[in-house]
Amino acid sequence: AQTVTQSQPEMSVQEAETVTLSCTYDTSENNYYLFWYKQPPSRQMILVIRQEAYKQQNATENRFSVNFQKAAKSFSLKISDSQLGDTAMYFCAFMRSNTGNQFYFGTGTSLTVIP
Amino acid sequence: DVKVTQSSRYLVKRTGEKVFLECVQDMDHENMFWYRQDPGLGLRLIYFSYDVKMKEKGDIPEGYSVSREKKERFSLILESASTNQTSMYLCASSPGTVHRYEQYFGPGTRLTVT
Repeated sequence: AQTVTQSQPEMSVQEAETVTLSCTYDTSENNYYLFWYKQPPSRQMILVIRQEAYKQQNATENRFSVNFQKAAKSFSLKISDSQLGDTAMYFCAFMRSNTGNQFYFGTGTSLTVIP
Repeated sequence: DVKVTQSSRYLVKRTGEKVFLECVQDMDHENMFWYRQDPGLGLRLIYFSYDVKMKEKGDIPEGYSVSREKKERFSLILESASTNQTSMYLCASSPGTVHRYEQYFGPGTRLTVT
């Protein structure tokens, strides 16, 4: 079974600062996909960033980037220049390659951006 | 943009009632999913479907069933609602094609069973 661990239930960051959210996972697979999702208060969950395990280069989407350490099974999310709109619950997710089906989600990290 | 809609944002039902939660997606996605979200537990998969009339159990299928009669619609059924099924229910869909596995979520239905 796959497990995804987010060890930080809550975090806060000052506006314009940088914050890193941690995620580790456990798998015996070699090919898989990793995702970070964002769920703002009372709003829809949206995809922030994705990473294919076969790619060595870390994914980047504007102010969001990941630090993917395959050997350590670590997949952290870095948010630069934090904005008030980044306040949300963030979920890390794992999917085995080529199944297109089951995601395994972590328990989430609640991030608050402080003005 | 992909749009996933759910029939209700809030729902209050009584113990023992049969409950239907509907989900519709408009992007011709192959895969559809039902999760429940509880504080401290994250998202847990109840059922998913990779084609019309096909379904697979997820991690917590007990007390639930699903129906997918049309590609765009995926229904979650609580045969006899119980208080421990009070939760947020999220529907999602994904293309399921090569390198396009990300899931798109609906707004959620907050179900309270009294």
